[in-house]
Amino acid sequence: DAKTTQPPSMDCAEGRAANLPCNHSTISGNEYVYWYRQIHSQGPQYIIHGLKNNETNEMASLIITEDRKSSTLILPHATLRDTAVYYCIVRVASSTGTYKYIFGTGTRLKVLA
Amino acid sequence: NAGVTQTPKFQVLKTGQSMTLQCAQDMNHNSMYWYRQDPGMGLRLIYYSASEGTTDKGEVPNGYNVSRLNKREFSLRLESAAPSQTSVYFCASRGGLFYSNQPQHFGDGTRLSIL
Repeated sequence: DAKTTQPPSMDCAEGRAANLPCNHSTISGNEYVYWYRQIHSQGPQYIIHGLKNNETNEMASLIITEDRKSSTLILPHATLRDTAVYYCIVRVASSTGTYKYIFGTGTRLKVLA
Repeated sequence: NAGVTQTPKFQVLKTGQSMTLQCAQDMNHNSMYWYRQDPGMGLRLIYYSASEGTTDKGEVPNGYNVSRLNKREFSLRLESAAPSQTSVYFCASRGGLFYSNQPQHFGDGTRLSIL
């Protein structure tokens, strides 16, 4: 199974860009990278996902390296409400026709006023 | 749209009691999932259902059973609760056919304590 490695914690000043790295060196060619965040103990909130091209939506940008072994989630202008645990996930195909997520322990991002 | 709804939100059980956690989604999604999250850890997959009528074991299925009642509902049952099952339980669903890249959507969780 592909697994991900993330730093356990990061700080970011409010209004600055937050860059959260993720290593997924064993990723296979058809496996997508997903990013979620979890605020307090709420359910994980979907942010963005990608395969090999960079992606952007209203919440964030996802930069995936050309060899696909790592990626970076960018929150362009972090606010205090972005304080959360961020999970980088590589989904794994199951034998029964769907995908499973393998969660790591994530990065605890603290946005500082 | 309610999305993924889990009931109850909180529950306290005694060791050996049984209970069923309920999950329903209103997004017409094919796949549904049950996870548990222990303090300081990421989510671990208990069981999942690729489509109505199918279920499969995830990483930590021991002590649990599931039922995919229909396309909307996926329940998780603890037959004889143990203190090690104290955790926060999350249900999720995903749209699209089989190998679609659609993301999973999560409910707000059920906080379960077993004494």
